[in-house]
Amino acid sequence: AQSVTQLDSHVSVSEGTPVLLRCNYSSSYSPSLFWYVQHPNKGLQLLLKYTSAATLVKGINGFEAEFKKSETSFHLTKPSAHMSDAAEYFCVGSGGSNYKLTFGKGTLLTVNP
Amino acid sequence: DVKVTQSSRYLVKRTGEKVFLECVQDMDHENMFWYRQDPGLGLRLIYFSYDVKMKEKGDIPEGYSVSREKKERFSLILESASTNQTSMYLCATLPQFGQGNTGELFFGEGSRLTVL
Repeated sequence: AQSVTQLDSHVSVSEGTPVLLRCNYSSSYSPSLFWYVQHPNKGLQLLLKYTSAATLVKGINGFEAEFKKSETSFHLTKPSAHMSDAAEYFCVGSGGSNYKLTFGKGTLLTVNP
Repeated sequence: DVKVTQSSRYLVKRTGEKVFLECVQDMDHENMFWYRQDPGLGLRLIYFSYDVKMKEKGDIPEGYSVSREKKERFSLILESASTNQTSMYLCATLPQFGQGNTGELFFGEGSRLTVL
């Protein structure tokens, strides 16, 4: 069985400061892992994905995530937050067949001026 | 670019009404999904379809049915809407394995349904 846990339901940062959104996973096999972003009243958009090619994954808009097998983590980071980063972020795991995706419950990122 | 269109962005229905939510995609993807999104619960899979006329239940199919008569269209049906079905509904697509499938889902913008 697979599970994805986002450790924070809400993260608040100031513009220009680093962003850290935490995600842990559990899987009986090597997973594919994704981060999606959802802006208000919009669908989800892929930020980045890990599929075992490289443990440090770079995505769009300056985001990156590192797959750490020893910690079963896939945390999302960005060096400097921008107001436009305010959104909800979902960590998603896929193992076995791709249609069996497991979504985390989401982390709402607030960026303060 | 893949386009996934959910034609009804906002709907208000009454308890007991039959509700149709439509999703149309233009990229010839075999797999289509309906998710329900609620605050604090993330996305939960209602149904998915891997081919025309083929469907499988997801994690929360109760109270819903689906129809896929054509490859590009996947409909979610609430036979008798109830207040606990008030939610955001998201449609997504995924190519077939070996045909550009990187595991990335392509989402529509969502249909926000309120049942009174």
